[in-house]
Amino acid sequence: NAGVTQTPKFQVLKTGQSMTLQCAQDMNHEYMSWYRQDPGMGLRLIHYSVGAGITDQGEVPNGYNVSRSTTEDFPLRLLSAAPSQTSVYFCASSYSSGLLGGSFSPLHFGNGTRLTVT
Amino acid sequence: DQQVKQNSPSLSVQEGRISILNCDYTNSMFDYFLWYKKYPAEGPTFLISISSIKDKNEDGRFTVFLNKSAKHLSLHIVPSQPGDSAVYFCAASAGAQKLVFGQGTRLTINP
Repeated sequence: NAGVTQTPKFQVLKTGQSMTLQCAQDMNHEYMSWYRQDPGMGLRLIHYSVGAGITDQGEVPNGYNVSRSTTEDFPLRLLSAAPSQTSVYFCASSYSSGLLGGSFSPLHFGNGTRLTVT
Repeated sequence: DQQVKQNSPSLSVQEGRISILNCDYTNSMFDYFLWYKKYPAEGPTFLISISSIKDKNEDGRFTVFLNKSAKHLSLHIVPSQPGDSAVYFCAASAGAQKLVFGQGTRLTINP
């Protein structure tokens, strides 16, 4: 199993450009999510999906779109990049979106995409 | 408003001694807590978790303690090893996978 695969690893964009960050998992996980990590802020939830065809907003969704057409893929789209979106982006997945037997199945993270917007 | 806080950005511990990482939270609806470990250029990996119905959970060298009245949890690593040098994030949940993370603490284990 490859786990959670994110592409690209690095990306530089100019303000106003658009791009899609790719995320794929091969573990048949129901739940997928996107986080961004900024210095001093920890990881903040952007969008999440509890299954194919179902997406919802997290803590910081503005400027980002997502879709979940398959169980495996959960791309994150930046429609018009802004310098404030300079960050490291992590995709994560887990078997379930809620408690199972009193505990969460852990989130499995990809290795991240480092995005710079100039 | 930061609901989960790790007030120590960094911690340095001698190899073989105990490492104690702390985390405070403000939302009384949180009922499940987790610790993740992160190496440079990698994603976070799950370390240990605890439900709010418990006050302690152990897994090998790692123990998590939860003090609900103080809204405080801590991670103890005994004995600390060089491979433990990483950034540690605590995270909390109010009943679903929408985890809220702290800012992280960089742990350095010195030989």
